[in-house]
Amino acid sequence: EDQVTQSPEALRLQEGESSSLNCSYTVSGLRGLFWYRQDPGKGPEFLFTLYSAGEEKEKERLKATLTKKESFLHITAPKPEDSATYLCAVQGGSEKLVFGKGMKLTVNP
Amino acid sequence: DAGVIQSPRHEVTEMGQEVTLRCKPISGHDYLFWYRQTMMRGLELLIYFNNNVPIDDSGMPEDRFSAKMPNASFSTLKIQPSEPRDSAVYFCASSFRAGGYTGELFFGEGSRLTVL
Repeated sequence: EDQVTQSPEALRLQEGESSSLNCSYTVSGLRGLFWYRQDPGKGPEFLFTLYSAGEEKEKERLKATLTKKESFLHITAPKPEDSATYLCAVQGGSEKLVFGKGMKLTVNP
Repeated sequence: DAGVIQSPRHEVTEMGQEVTLRCKPISGHDYLFWYRQTMMRGLELLIYFNNNVPIDDSGMPEDRFSAKMPNASFSTLKIQPSEPRDSAVYFCASSFRAGGYTGELFFGEGSRLTVL
């Protein structure tokens, strides 16, 4: 069974304090690993897809990387508007995405 | 495009009542997913459709839950009878070819269900 574990569950940073979020996964035949952002009261919003180990994607202050067992979401010099819950998901042999429980990021000004 | 539209946004009902949640996917998308989100279990896939046909309903908790997609622009998730443990936020998401290999699901804003 495909599984995703995210750590830490919550993270509080000061504005400008860089950090990384971890997503560990087990999947049979990885077709893709995905990062989503979710704001309070909203549905998740797609950020990145990573397909193979060694791949990296960047968007503004976010950079996602992938190894054979885990993915990292690096946040460089975060701003308060980066506060959200970040979700990791994997797609294996079927069309469905299996999500982790998410990591709530709070960036204080 | 208006995005994925869900209704109602909030529903408060009493145990034993029937609940119907509705979803209008993005036009042209051929996959539709129903997820449930709780603090304890996170986002769980309940069922998904491809071209209006249910493909995998293994996540549906029990027979009290049912989902239909009568056409490409409408889907319902029904709970009958409802129980307090069904309280959660229910999300509908749509995609084209399940995002192909991009996994880009487009989520609605969710329906928050509270069963008293």
